Amino acid sequence: KQEVTQIPAALSVPEGENLVLNCSFTDSAIYNLQWFRQDPGKGLTSLLLIQSSQREQTSGRLNASLDKSSGRSTLYIAASQPGDSATYLCAVRTAGGTSYGKLTFGQGTILTVHP
Amino acid sequence: EAEVAQSPRYKITEKSQAVAFWCDPISGHATLYWYRQILGQGPELLVQFQDESVVDDSQLPKDRFSAERLKGVDSTLKIQPAELGDSAMYLCASSSQRLAGEQFFGPGTRLTVL
Repeated sequence: KQEVTQIPAALSVPEGENLVLNCSFTDSAIYNLQWFRQDPGKGLTSLLLIQSSQREQTSGRLNASLDKSSGRSTLYIAASQPGDSATYLCAVRTAGGTSYGKLTFGQGTILTVHP
Repeated sequence: EAEVAQSPRYKITEKSQAVAFWCDPISGHATLYWYRQILGQGPELLVQFQDESVVDDSQLPKDRFSAERLKGVDSTLKIQPAELGDSAMYLCASSSQRLAGEQFFGPGTRLTVL
């Protein structure tokens, strides 16, 4: 069964700092990995999708990398802003086993960027 | 910009009552998902539809939960009877491809069972 772990569980940084969020998964047979943002009491906003054949994706100040063989992904946020404060969720779509086809989520990293 | 629509946004009910949630996916998306998210955790899949067919409902508590997507477009998730432990955020998502497609989520329905 696929398991996804996100570290750290919470992160507080001053505005302007560059930061890295980590995601690891136990089954490397995946279709893709998706990073989401969730504001309190809201739905999920898709940030980046990395297909299994890709190494990274970039969108604005966000860069996500994928190392499928080691079961790891990182989300890099450059020049953080208070508006980046939210919970960031990593999710993988598994290509085999009992989690076949399912999108499995980590528990998220709660990010606070203070002015 | 196309979005997944859900209603209601908030629902408060008493245990043993019936509740229903509605979802309208992005136009043209054949795959529709219902997730449940308990506070402080990541979402967990309840049921997945491909057009009007259920392709995965292995995590759906079928004694009290039901889901349908009769015409392969919008969908309804029902709970009867509701229990205290059902209090959670219920999220709907859709994608254009069943396995490799990006999933887009709606705003969710926050359910509180008293």
